[in-house]
Amino acid sequence: ILNVEQSPQSLHVQEGDSTNFTCSFPSSNFYALHWYRWETAKSPEALFVMTLNGDEKKKGRISATLNTKEGYSYLYIKGSQPEDSATYLCAFQKKTSYDKVIFGPGTSLSVIP
Amino acid sequence: NAGVTQTPKFRVLKTGQSMTLLCAQDMNHEYMYWYRQDPGMGLRLIHYSVGEGTTAKGEVPDGYNVSRLKKQNFLLGLESAAPSQTSVYFCASSYGDYLQETQYFGPGTRLLVL
Repeated sequence: ILNVEQSPQSLHVQEGDSTNFTCSFPSSNFYALHWYRWETAKSPEALFVMTLNGDEKKKGRISATLNTKEGYSYLYIKGSQPEDSATYLCAFQKKTSYDKVIFGPGTSLSVIP
Repeated sequence: NAGVTQTPKFRVLKTGQSMTLLCAQDMNHEYMYWYRQDPGMGLRLIHYSVGEGTTAKGEVPDGYNVSRLKKQNFLLGLESAAPSQTSVYFCASSYGDYLQETQYFGPGTRLLVL
């Protein structure tokens, strides 16, 4: 069983603060790393998929970086807004079993107005 | 497009009862997945399918069976429900062509086993 970890488990920030959290995954046999955003009472929605070491992706105020050699990815939110409140999931695909995606437990973000 | 739909949205079962959860997608996706979501544990893969007529086990397959008789449908069965199967079940699908592409999720089915 692959071990995908996320930290912190939860985070409370003030509106306007920038924040970041971490996804850790096995560094061997890397295939792809996904980030999803999951709002309460809704379904997970894709943010990014990253495949190459050093990849950086950006969507509005949200960006992500990838380090496959050391097995981590960072998600950054600049100037957090209340609508950013959600659980952020990362998901890992291993080269030898790429047809399965293993999700981390998520980081729950609350942005206080 | 309806995307990914799940039936039912909510169900209460007694221990030992059986039921089938239906997932349907209208995006012509090859890959389909069933996950369960429990507090503090994120999404755990139960079973998945890489095409019509194929199924494979995920992380937590025990107590569940699946079938993919039609490309657009993926059924999850509980033959004899147990309280430990109380959870929220999510279905997802993806194209499968590029392999790294994202999954599209259904709205979830909340199951309570008494």
